[in-house]
Amino acid sequence: QVQLQESGPGLVKPSQTLSLTCTVSGGSISSGGYYWSWIRQHPGKGLEWIGYIYYSGSTYYNPSLKSRVTISVDTSKNQFSLKLSSVTAADTAVYYCARGVNEDAFDIWGQGTMVTVSS
Amino acid sequence: EIVLTQSPATLSLSPGERATLSCRASQSVSSYLAWYQQKPGQAPRLLIYDASNRATGIPARFSGSGSGTDFTLTISSLEPEDFAVYYCQQRSNWLFTFGPGTKVDIK
Repeated sequence: QVQLQESGPGLVKPSQTLSLTCTVSGGSISSGGYYWSWIRQHPGKGLEWIGYIYYSGSTYYNPSLKSRVTISVDTSKNQFSLKLSSVTAADTAVYYCARGVNEDAFDIWGQGTMVTVSS
Repeated sequence: EIVLTQSPATLSLSPGERATLSCRASQSVSSYLAWYQQKPGQAPRLLIYDASNRATGIPARFSGSGSGTDFTLTISSLEPEDFAVYYCQQRSNWLFTFGPGTKVDIK
């Protein structure tokens, strides 16, 4: 079955760019009908949708993060990536990649990766 | 931005009891509402999509209802593994928001 796995640095310095990659296994990221998403969870808090990308390359971002977020896809590697620029301590969170389906839900999630912003 | 409110914040129940969780949207989201279960240290798990459809592999004791602005997740008889945090989530204009969560703990 389809599985997602996040990877990337667990520690990022303030003002730098956070970069994470999600590797999709067990299925093709180019399969239509899915939107490949990033979602984060601040420590002890709720969930915040960051944005998503269609296999075609179309993207949608959370307006509150839009100026700092870029999500891209590499179909040859079956991966999609997140870049979040100018990070601060407020960006410290567990970052999840997830697959969106049925136009309104996320049915498969990665295990999550903790990213700490600190000097 | 559509804001989701969940109530109660905490629900203390015993195994075998019925749990009723509420999610209210600040404006209509039609039926574009999903429910998730999250246990400590784990990723959320999709339970319900389109307000009332159970996701693959989800037991029949979980059910969802509602449309527009008011939604309910019902767990008909709590099993020990059901004690967790539950989030609702909506999609409107291709933007997504989550509710703050309801924690179901053991009484």
